[in-house]
Amino acid sequence: DTEVTQTPKHLVMGMTNKKSLKCEQHMGHRAMYWYKQKAKKPPELMFVYSYEKLSINESVPSRFSPECPNSSLLNLHLHALQPEDSALYLCASSQALSGNYGYTFGSGTRLTVV
Amino acid sequence: GENVEQHPSTLSVQEGDSAVIKCTYSDSASNYFPWYKQELGKGPQLIIDIRSNVGEKKDQRIAVTLNKTAKHFSLHITETQPEDSAVYFCAASLYGQNFVFGPGTRLSVLP
Repeated sequence: DTEVTQTPKHLVMGMTNKKSLKCEQHMGHRAMYWYKQKAKKPPELMFVYSYEKLSINESVPSRFSPECPNSSLLNLHLHALQPEDSALYLCASSQALSGNYGYTFGSGTRLTVV
Repeated sequence: GENVEQHPSTLSVQEGDSAVIKCTYSDSASNYFPWYKQELGKGPQLIIDIRSNVGEKKDQRIAVTLNKTAKHFSLHITETQPEDSAVYFCAASLYGQNFVFGPGTRLSVLP
């Protein structure tokens, strides 16, 4: 299995809703990432997990809450989002946090906040 | 911190021609340079990467060159095909941490 699987593929949520994005990989990768991508822009790093511990939080608002239940799963909990949070949310994984390993990205969740 | 510039922002080529995308980086300590291809509705896909101890790497129709002195690296695609049409992102990092992506190049291969 050489894929990163993200669910759901599309999500529409109201500003008062609580929802979660899920990411799964079975490649034995020990680093996992959440990125946000706006239209016609490169991905922007949000969070990094290394060996299931939060390693980097790029000053992301608290309405985004990451969770890494085990080495294969990564969640992003969403609460009280704003319309400007609408974007493609990408999960990625790599063999380790350091060591010049490329990332494997999932296909993303396209989030629309109404 | 690292800053990556990428040119051109859009590129149109005829099928069968070559395409070249160039990136420059600011931090001379960066030592890992991947290239990603993103098709519409999909996540970025790693297509080739190069480490700072190598000047050139090739994989079939795709090649990457690195000039550490000038701090730039380039993606070369030969014999382009319509399925090469996508947005291409370069990135720079130190030991694979904290990738900094370029702004992207939209490549269109015209039949």
